[in-house]
Amino acid sequence: EVQLVESGGSLVQPGGSLRLSCLASGFTFGNYWMNWVRQAPGKGLEWVANINQDGSEKSYVDSVRGRFTISRDNVKNSLYLQLNSLRAEDTAVYYCTRGGDTTGYFLSYSWGQGTLVTVSS
Amino acid sequence: DIVMTQSPDSLAVSLGERATINCKSSQSVLYSFNNKNYLAWYQQKPGQPPKLLISWASTRESGVPERFSGSGSGTDFTLTIRSLQAEDVAVYYCHQHYSRPPFTFGPGTKVEIK
Repeated sequence: EVQLVESGGSLVQPGGSLRLSCLASGFTFGNYWMNWVRQAPGKGLEWVANINQDGSEKSYVDSVRGRFTISRDNVKNSLYLQLNSLRAEDTAVYYCTRGGDTTGYFLSYSWGQGTLVTVSS
Repeated sequence: DIVMTQSPDSLAVSLGERATINCKSSQSVLYSFNNKNYLAWYQQKPGQPPKLLISWASTRESGVPERFSGSGSGTDFTLTIRSLQAEDVAVYYCHQHYSRPPFTFGPGTKVEIK
């Protein structure tokens, strides 16, 4: 069974930093694209970033480019999102999602339960 | 960027009746190379993460009840719940994963019981 468990969310002040982690199990982590998707309180879904199987390709939504960094460690079966220069509008539940391996790279086939990031003074 | 719109914003349907949700993309998400529509539907029940229901516009994921079906091509897509059940109360999102990022979601459609 695919499991994705996010951690690292907390209350942080504007301008602060945070590192989110996602521990994957139940599948061969290194074979899949991975994504971060966020959802502001009471709002819809927003794709944030993705990374390919070996970490050589990364993409970001414009609103986070230059502030957030996605990375992965295939030995530790873990996905990360470094959040810097945080703003109030970054407040959201951040979901780790699994993409495809040979097709459907940018789909979100499986989702974690999410971790809440709150940016507030 | 591809903009996704959905209609209606919400709908209330009687148990056993049909629910229809529309999704429109600002440009085609049909990839001519393989004739696939890069359009997916997700269901998000209250307090839960989203769940992938339908990929490639019309392919039901494993375990998804047959009452859920997807249709459409190019820029216009539909999610149909053939006979609404109480457990189908949720927000439904369409999502395009065509070509290049950002891979945008629709704003969501809330389905409730009438």
